[in-house]
Amino acid sequence: LAKTTQPISMDSYEGQEVNITCSHNNIATNDYITWYQQFPSQGPRFIIQGYKTKVTNEVASLFIPADRKSSTLSLPRVSLSDTAVYYCLVSTSGTYKYIFGTGTRLKVLA
Amino acid sequence: DSGVTQTPKHLITATGQRVTLRCSPRSGDLSVYWYQQSLDQGLQFLIHYYNGEERAKGNILERFSAQQFPDLHSELNLSSLELGDSALYFCASSVGDLTDTQYFGPGTRLTVL
Repeated sequence: LAKTTQPISMDSYEGQEVNITCSHNNIATNDYITWYQQFPSQGPRFIIQGYKTKVTNEVASLFIPADRKSSTLSLPRVSLSDTAVYYCLVSTSGTYKYIFGTGTRLKVLA
Repeated sequence: DSGVTQTPKHLITATGQRVTLRCSPRSGDLSVYWYQQSLDQGLQFLIHYYNGEERAKGNILERFSAQQFPDLHSELNLSSLELGDSALYFCASSVGDLTDTQYFGPGTRLTVL
């Protein structure tokens, strides 16, 4: 099963681009990668999902290199309200298991 | 609001007791997932049901059990509770499984004293 690790914390300033990486060395061919945002005492909220290469939506981009051993969530221009914990989730095919990363606490400063 | 509802919001009980957590998925979703979030273990997948049938088990203790009913709501039963079971328990739902986006409920905070 894929084991997922993330940096514990990051600081950024408003208006900057933030990139958060998730390492999943044992990812299998058909596993999917999803990123969630979580505020204190709330459930995780979906940001973006991908399988390979690059995916972009209205709030973020997801970059997945060819070897798929990592993925990077890119938040283009962060604001104070983006202060939260960000998790990657690997959905493993075949076994239908769901493995969350360790979470990255992002603090956006004014 | 994700459309997933969980009750109760908070639950305080004593060691050795049994509790039931309830989850109602979004309308049209067939899959329900349960997760446990604690400070030392992070978010841990417990179990997944699809259209009433168990699809996969994760790190679920034998003291815990779950089921999904014909109306697709789900219950997570926790028995012989221990102090270490204190955590946030989240339910999520999706249309299908694996590749479908999971939408999370607000969670139930369980405190075992």
